[in-house]
Amino acid sequence: NAGVTQTPKFRVLKTGQSMTLLCAQDMNHEYMYWYRQDPGMGLRLIHYSVGEGTTAKGEVPDGYNVSRLKKQNFLLGLESAAPSQTSVYFCASSYSFLGTPLHFGNGTRLTVT
Amino acid sequence: KQEVTQIPAALSVPEGENLVLNCSFTDSAIYNLQWFRQDPGKGLTSLLLIQSSQREQTSGRLNASLDKSSGRSTLYIAASQPGDSATYLCAADNAGNMLTFGGGTRLMVKP
Repeated sequence: NAGVTQTPKFRVLKTGQSMTLLCAQDMNHEYMYWYRQDPGMGLRLIHYSVGEGTTAKGEVPDGYNVSRLKKQNFLLGLESAAPSQTSVYFCASSYSFLGTPLHFGNGTRLTVT
Repeated sequence: KQEVTQIPAALSVPEGENLVLNCSFTDSAIYNLQWFRQDPGKGLTSLLLIQSSQREQTSGRLNASLDKSSGRSTLYIAASQPGDSATYLCAADNAGNMLTFGGGTRLMVKP
């Protein structure tokens, strides 16, 4: 049972380039989330999804887009990367929103130069 | 807006000590309070989840308490071991798994 898998693990982009981060979960969870973790800022919610075909904005959505075409996958896109998007990105999933634990992936370390 | 604070930011203790990690939050209208562990270069692992109607939760050597009225939660680790070395984060849930995280406490347990 793999849990939550994120690809890639590391990536370096130049300003203005685009990329997509992939998150896959094999636990049949309805809810999926994208967080970013920055020193001194903690983890902040970027976007989330409450089910296949749905997405919603979190605390820091600007500069990011997401899609949930399949229940098991949640994609995070950066259309035009900026140095401020240098961060560690974590995907998480949960069975429901009613106080069930979140399961996290191991993160993607993104550097934008 | 919910704000979550964890003090201290770092803690170093000798093996075998019992220790308490603190978490405070400003908005007491929470669904639950969650504690996570994060190892270097890894994701977060859920440790304990305390529902708003509960006072505490226990798992092995870990015990988490919740006092909504004072906006505080504590994570008690009994008989600490070097393997407990990690960063511990608490998170308050105000809107159904929309978590607000604290900055974490980096724990070092020395053999």
